Amino acid sequence: AQSVSQHNHHVILSEAASLELGCNYSYGGTVNLFWYVQYPGQHLQLLLKYFSGDPLVKGIKGFEAEFIKSKFSFNLRKPSVQWSDTAEYFCAVNLGTYKYIFGTGTRLKVLA
Amino acid sequence: EADIYQTPRYLVIGTGKKITLECSQTMGHDKMYWYQQDPGMELHLIHYSYGVNSTEKGDLSSESTVSRIRTEHFPLTLESARPSHTSQYLCASSVGANVLTFGAGSRLTVL
Repeated sequence: AQSVSQHNHHVILSEAASLELGCNYSYGGTVNLFWYVQYPGQHLQLLLKYFSGDPLVKGIKGFEAEFIKSKFSFNLRKPSVQWSDTAEYFCAVNLGTYKYIFGTGTRLKVLA
Repeated sequence: EADIYQTPRYLVIGTGKKITLECSQTMGHDKMYWYQQDPGMELHLIHYSYGVNSTEKGDLSSESTVSRIRTEHFPLTLESARPSHTSQYLCASSVGANVLTFGAGSRLTVL
């Protein structure tokens, strides 16, 4: 069955630390890839997406993600986190049409 | 700011009550979805719609029903709520197989 794995469930970092959140998916076909973020008390919103082309994609607030097809991975990175990055991050895969598969989310806490 | 609106945001009701969770979007998106979200779990699709008069059940079995009489409106109804229905329900919309736009969610507690 298709699935999305996020390896880190809880991450705690100090401000200015670098961030990398892992995301792996199991599906052999063409996919569209997403990272969504949910700030405390807010709705889920798009952080960045990959459909095709350059496998290194940049999103809002200094986030980027790299699609490595051979590893079925789409890891999220940020060189220097801020307190305001405290949120829950969801990796998602779209298999076409209505089918989106989400990971279980990673709760990031950034200490000021 | 989301262009998809869900009401109520919070609802506490007793077992056996009928409830309707409202979802409206102003973007003219053709596809709409209902997801169920529980802490520490992935989002599970319970219903989706390709357009007016089109509704399908998602991957997670649900006793709820939906309707799509207007493009912008996609309400979810539970005829008889039970404690097992306690969860957060997220409505979303998209154009094609594209970015999902989410509402703020409706958190339902059934006593």
